[in-house]
Amino acid sequence: DAGVTQSPTHLIKTRGQQVTLRCSPKSGHDTVSWYQQALGQGPQFIFQYYEEEERQRGNFPDRFSGHQFPNYSSELNVNALLLGDSALYLCASSFRENYGYTFGSGTRLTVV
Amino acid sequence: GESVGLHLPTLSVQEGDNSIINCAYSNSASDYFIWYKQESGKGPQFIIDIRSNMDKRQGQRVTVLLNKTVKHLSLQIAATQPGDSAVYFCAEKMRGNEKLTFGTGTRLTIIP
Repeated sequence: DAGVTQSPTHLIKTRGQQVTLRCSPKSGHDTVSWYQQALGQGPQFIFQYYEEEERQRGNFPDRFSGHQFPNYSSELNVNALLLGDSALYLCASSFRENYGYTFGSGTRLTVV
Repeated sequence: GESVGLHLPTLSVQEGDNSIINCAYSNSASDYFIWYKQESGKGPQFIIDIRSNMDKRQGQRVTVLLNKTVKHLSLQIAATQPGDSAVYFCAEKMRGNEKLTFGTGTRLTIIP
């Protein structure tokens, strides 16, 4: 039974570019949350998707957007990349109101 | 505002000894708490959780204690092993809020 799968594992982008990160939730899970983890810090909540809609959003600018597909997989898009967007981006999945969040291994984004 | 903090950024423990990692939270509305373990290059891995209507919960070699009076959470790891070396995060979730709020983490090093 596969856990949460994220792709790519590593990515290098230039300032001003756009990036798309992908997440496949754990089998049986229908809710996907995205987190940003800067080096040496705890993860910060970006947003959560359920039933293909953004259910809640953290304190991130509109440059961060997302999408959830009918198969529950999700994408995180970041536009106009800044150096400060360099971080580990984590996807976590869960089943509805179940508090059992499972995290993927993340995508390491480096903006140069 | 809400915050989750940790008392110590690093902790070194002799192999076989017990370790205690502490965490303070500030929001009395938090009703669910989780401890995660994060190894280098990996996403957070669930260790144990506790709801606010409990004071203590035990797992395999781990125990979480919740003191709501002083808003304090601790993780006890018994008979530590080299594989326990990692960064440990506490996270809180508030009633009616979808996001997890993480602390900055404690790096636990097990000395052989």
